Formats: sequence, structure tokens, C-alpha cells
Amino acid sequence: NAGVTQTPKFRILKIGQSMTLQCTQDMNHNYMYWYRQDPGMGLKLIYYSVGAGITDKGEVPNGYNVSRSTTEDFPLRLELAAPSQTSVYFCASSYGPEGAFFGQGTRLTVV
Amino acid sequence: AQTVTQSQPEMSVQEAETVTLSCTYDTSESDYYLFWYKQPPSRQMILVIRQEAYKQQNATENRFSVNFQKAAKSFSLKISDSQLGDAAMYFCAYLNQAGTALIFGKGTTLSVSS
Repeated sequence: NAGVTQTPKFRILKIGQSMTLQCTQDMNHNYMYWYRQDPGMGLKLIYYSVGAGITDKGEVPNGYNVSRSTTEDFPLRLELAAPSQTSVYFCASSYGPEGAFFGQGTRLTVV
Repeated sequence: AQTVTQSQPEMSVQEAETVTLSCTYDTSESDYYLFWYKQPPSRQMILVIRQEAYKQQNATENRFSVNFQKAAKSFSLKISDSQLGDAAMYFCAYLNQAGTALIFGKGTTLSVSS
């Protein structure tokens, strides 16, 4: 049982480049989330999805886009990377009372 | 909007002792879920314990237990017989029943000394 899988684990981007962070889950969860975690801080919600074809903005959506074409996949797209997007990104999926299950995170550095 | 507050940025405990981490939250909903997550230096988010708001009985998982006070909107985590491996950042989290709001506190860094 793989759970939530994120790729890549590490990435360095140059300012202005774009990239997609991949997230897939095999637990058939409808709910999926993207968070960013800055050093020594909590998790801030970027986008979430309650099912295939449905996405909505979280607390800090600017500079990001998402799509949810299938239940399993929830990729996060960064357009025109900026130094302020240097962070650790977590993808999670949940089923109510079971809680959220997290991927291992992607450490992104924008230089 | 829902909020989660952890008022203790750092806590310390000695091995074999007991420590309690505090969490309060704000919501107008009656049904929701609460969780404590552990994040060790590996940065993996590990679910420690969960509580459903409609259950009055406090959840317990081995050395971890919670004190859930729904009226006071308080959800503290007690770690008994602390071990060196408990050292980590701990996050309190709230999930609404609709699944559209999974909100975290800012975390408490727990250090354990021998």
C-alpha cells in the first residue's frame, strides 16, 4: 500500500521557470490538499479538491495552479517561479475520521 | 473561518516524564475531527491520534492521549513516559465534516532530554 506519493523529493528552479509537482494516492480518497511549509512554521493550504474535476483555493493560492482529472492524481503547477516560493510542499489526501495522509514532501529552492 | 492555535512554540521534557501540549480551535460547526501530527526531522507528517467531535470519550493511543473539551474548544495532547524518539514538532489540526477545511496550528517543538 503506497499511500500518498510525491515526486520529486528535491528540486532547484531558476527564477521564472515553471514546474509541476506530482501527487498520487491509491486510497481512493476524494479529498486532496496541497500545503506549503516554510522553515519553522506550520502548514499553509494552497489548494484543495473534494473530488475529480473540483478544485478550490486555499489560504495562499497565488502563483500556483492545480487540476484534478482523476481521483488518484492532484498535480500542483508553479508558473514563473519566484524566490518566495522556496519552501517544502506537502500533498495530502483524507477520508474524514481517518485523518489526512501525507506524502514525503518536496523541498523546492528557487534561485 | 476556522482557526487552530498552539500557544506553546517550544516545550521540553525529560525521559520517562509526562508532558502536555496545548491546542485550542475556533469553529461554529458542531461536527468535525481533530488530530495531532508528529513531524520528526525527516519532515514526514505522522498521524499520532484522532478525535471525532461527537465522541465524548477521549482518544488514547498507547502513550498518547488527548483531553478533548468541546465546550471550551480545547484539544490537548498528553505524552506519557516520554522517549527520546518523541522529540519532534507536533501539529494540532482541525478537519471540518465537509472535508473542505483541513487547518493546522503553527506547531510546538518538543525536545526530550535524557
